Amino acid sequence: DAKTTQPTSMDCAEGRAANLPCNHSTISGNEYVYWYRQIHSQGPQYIIHGLKNNETNEMASLIITEDRKSSTLILPHATLRDTAVYYCIVRAQKVTFGIGTKLQVIP
Amino acid sequence: KAGVTQTPRYLIKTRGQQVTLSCSPISGHRSVSWYQQTPGQGLQFLFEYFSETQRNKGNFPGRFSGRQFSNSRSEMNVSTLELGDSALYLCASRRAPETNEKLFFGSGTQLSVL
Repeated sequence: DAKTTQPTSMDCAEGRAANLPCNHSTISGNEYVYWYRQIHSQGPQYIIHGLKNNETNEMASLIITEDRKSSTLILPHATLRDTAVYYCIVRAQKVTFGIGTKLQVIP
Repeated sequence: KAGVTQTPRYLIKTRGQQVTLSCSPISGHRSVSWYQQTPGQGLQFLFEYFSETQRNKGNFPGRFSGRQFSNSRSEMNVSTLELGDSALYLCASRRAPETNEKLFFGSGTQLSVL
């Protein structure tokens, strides 16, 4: 089973880019990388996903390494409302979320 | 389009009782998954239903069960409640359990077992 490793916590200054890393060295060829975030006491919210190519949407950018063993979620201009727990997952079946990265955006 | 709806939002039960939680998926979504979230364990997968059939199951005891109806609404039941069952129970829906289908989550049911 593909597992992910993320730092437990990170800080980012408001207005700066937040770069959240994820290691998924056992990812299979057909598994997508998904990112979700969870703001306290709410359900997780989908952010972005990708297979091989880098992706960008209105919320964030996803950079996937060529060997697909790691990825980085980029929030280009972090705001206080981006303070949340960010989850990186790589499994479509029995989707399992780890502890995630607690991102604190600092004023 | 209405989002995933979970009821009730909060629930208090005592040990030994049973509880039933409800989840209405987004219209058109036929897959419903359930998760348990506790402070130290993150989100743990319970099970996923698609077209009224359980497709996947996590590592939880048999006290945790679920079902899905023909309109895709799902219920989760926990029998003989234990103190450790206190958690936020989240439901998520997607069109189908396919490789690139993203999950849409409800706000959850906060269960407290006293």
